[in-house]
Amino acid sequence: EVQLVESGGGLIQPGGSLRLSCAASGFTVSSNYMSWVRQAPGKGLEWVSVIYSGGTTYYADSVKGRFTISRDDSKNTVSLQMNSLRAEDTAMYYCARGYRADYWGQGTLVTVSS
Amino acid sequence: EIVMTQSPATLSVSPGERATLSCRASQTVSSSLAWYQQKPGQAPRLLIYGASTRATGIPARFSGSGSGTEFTLTISSLQSEDFAVYYCQQYNNWWTFGQGTKVEIK
Repeated sequence: EVQLVESGGGLIQPGGSLRLSCAASGFTVSSNYMSWVRQAPGKGLEWVSVIYSGGTTYYADSVKGRFTISRDDSKNTVSLQMNSLRAEDTAMYYCARGYRADYWGQGTLVTVSS
Repeated sequence: EIVMTQSPATLSVSPGERATLSCRASQTVSSSLAWYQQKPGQAPRLLIYGASTRATGIPARFSGSGSGTEFTLTISSLQSEDFAVYYCQQYNNWWTFGQGTKVEIK
C-alpha cells in the first residue's frame, strides 16, 4: 500500500528555519517525481517544489533561494529545508507522488509567527 | 506561469442533481489537466487526470472533459459524500491550481 507521512512542522519565528520530511512506503521515491504543495489556512493549493527521479529540482518563485528539496534514497524520504521563513509561508505542507499527484500525505502544519 | 481559473466559486446543488464545474487555462495545457476533491481537514484526492481519465477507485458518476484551455468536471448525480471543494490543476508546465469550487448542499 502506498503511503506518505509528513513530519517536521511546527511554530517558528520569522527568519527561522525548519526541515520537513516525507516518509514514503509502498513505492520507491527515487523512481518517482515527488513534489511539495502547500495550503495556507482557508486558501487554495500552491505548488512549492519538485524533485525529478533524475535528481533535478525546481521551485516556485515565492520560495526560490530559501527552500531546498532533497531526497534520501536509503531512507526512502523526501525533505524540504525551509530557511528565512516568512509569515506568508504559514500553511499546511503536503508531499505528493507523481507528475499528476496520485497520492498525498496528510500534511504537516507550519506556522511562522513571533 | 499558467493561470487556472475555476467557475463558479460556489455551486449549490441538491443531492441527486447534476453538478458542472468549469476550469479555464490562460494558455493551452493540452490534456495535462487533473481534478482533485478536498474535504475539510483532509488532503486532496485525485479524481481525474489526462482531462478525462478517472483515477483508481473513483466512481463513474465523476467525468471530465475538455482539452487545450477549457475543461469541465461533471458529477452526474451528487451523493452526500461529494459535497467538498474541487480543484483543477495543470501539469503541462510545472503545476498550477485553480482557486477551487465549493460544492455545497442546496
